[in-house]
Amino acid sequence: NAGVTQTPKFQVLKTGQSMTLQCAQDMNHEYMSWYRQDPGMGLRLIHYSVGAGITDQGEVPNGYNVSRSTTEDFPLRLLSAAPSQTSVYFCASKSPSSGNTIYFGEGSWLTVV
Amino acid sequence: AQKVTQAQTEISVVEKEDVTLDCVYETRDTTYYLFWYKQPPSGELVFLIRRNSFDEQNEISGRYSWNFQKSTSSFNFTITASQVVDSAVYFCALTNTGFQKLVFGTGTRLLVSP
Repeated sequence: NAGVTQTPKFQVLKTGQSMTLQCAQDMNHEYMSWYRQDPGMGLRLIHYSVGAGITDQGEVPNGYNVSRSTTEDFPLRLLSAAPSQTSVYFCASKSPSSGNTIYFGEGSWLTVV
Repeated sequence: AQKVTQAQTEISVVEKEDVTLDCVYETRDTTYYLFWYKQPPSGELVFLIRRNSFDEQNEISGRYSWNFQKSTSSFNFTITASQVVDSAVYFCALTNTGFQKLVFGTGTRLLVSP
């Protein structure tokens, strides 16, 4: 998982709290994205970005905000956490220079109680 | 719409057995890309292979091999002489030429016993 760093790795939130999951990559990749992984459902795309200043929605965007002010960082914000957002979150990045292979971070385990 | 189906939820084998993980996909795109990822118990996602739709050659990498058949929309993954370290969840995934949205199957959990 070369160069994609996620923080925190584990987090417990109370319903209604807000938090930001951080994602940074040092490979100068234009594309970055966030997925969530739930039991029996594989990974589903939340939001993605094809470059600084550009973001778009994926399959399950509700309840999440993103921004891309720099090429390196792509934070995922939960404005008012809900138990349904309990999941494992993965950040990913890619670039044509890496053969368009999508590399994932190590994951962030989030529990909302 | 794109869809990936991994019908095998869980497979249990004994070490040194060969095992095949099935992946069937649906897409209307003529050009697309297929991936396999491994998720060991530690939780990270490890890239294994990417295959282009216009390249139907099978690929072998050590004990791993992949059989891509456009006629049946399948991209199956075989582990030869399985080892305990192969125990993991394996995901098949699909994207189109934009590479913007990776569609995953639900994964197959492989348990290799000594």
